[in-house]
Amino acid sequence: DVQLVESGGGFVHPGGSLRLSCETSDFTFSAYWMSWVRQAPGKGLEWVANIGKDRSEKYYVDSVEGRFTISRDNAKNSLYLQMNSLRVEDTAVYFCARGGASYCSNGVCGEFDSWGQGTLVTVSS
Amino acid sequence: QPVLTQPTSLSASPGASARFTCTLRSDINVYSYRIYWYQQRPGSRPRYLLRYKSDSDKQQGFGVPSRFSGSKDGTTNAGLLLISGLQSEDEADYYCAIWYSNTWVFGGGTKLTVL
Repeated sequence: DVQLVESGGGFVHPGGSLRLSCETSDFTFSAYWMSWVRQAPGKGLEWVANIGKDRSEKYYVDSVEGRFTISRDNAKNSLYLQMNSLRVEDTAVYFCARGGASYCSNGVCGEFDSWGQGTLVTVSS
Repeated sequence: QPVLTQPTSLSASPGASARFTCTLRSDINVYSYRIYWYQQRPGSRPRYLLRYKSDSDKQQGFGVPSRFSGSKDGTTNAGLLLISGLQSEDEADYYCAIWYSNTWVFGGGTKLTVL
């Protein structure tokens, strides 16, 4: 079974930073795009960022552009999200998701087909 | 106007069918996009259900029953998720999504109550 395990969430004051990690196993990590999707308390899903298989492509939702950086280490089968200048409105559960490609390849067309359990980020003064 | 609009709630009886709509903003042609559907049960992570662009370009998520299906309604510019033979376990939030303008956009979600 595909495994995605997030970590690094916690409490931070506005303006602070956090780095989320997503450790993966039981699939060929380097063959997949990866994404972060968040969900504010009681709200819907919001895509945050995605990264291509070889890191050559990265996309962000406008509200985090310039503050968040997505990265990956294919040797460690891990995905990361560096979050700087955090705002109260960034409070959410952050999910790591396999997929989110901007194009189709080998029958995979961008679906988020596996998700982690999420890690909670709370930004508050 | 949001890129994707979903009704807030939907209710149906066990054994009946449920039809979820995901309406694209009027300047975005539904036939040009793959529509992705996700289910999120209370307290759980989202689950990929299926994607649908056309009858020749569609995919069912792994282990997703065939009673879940996708289609489109060009007259309302909407993607559709159809669930037949509703079961209590189908009670959940359902989200649609598209890749639009180099971003993934989710609809606001529809809460299904099975009663």
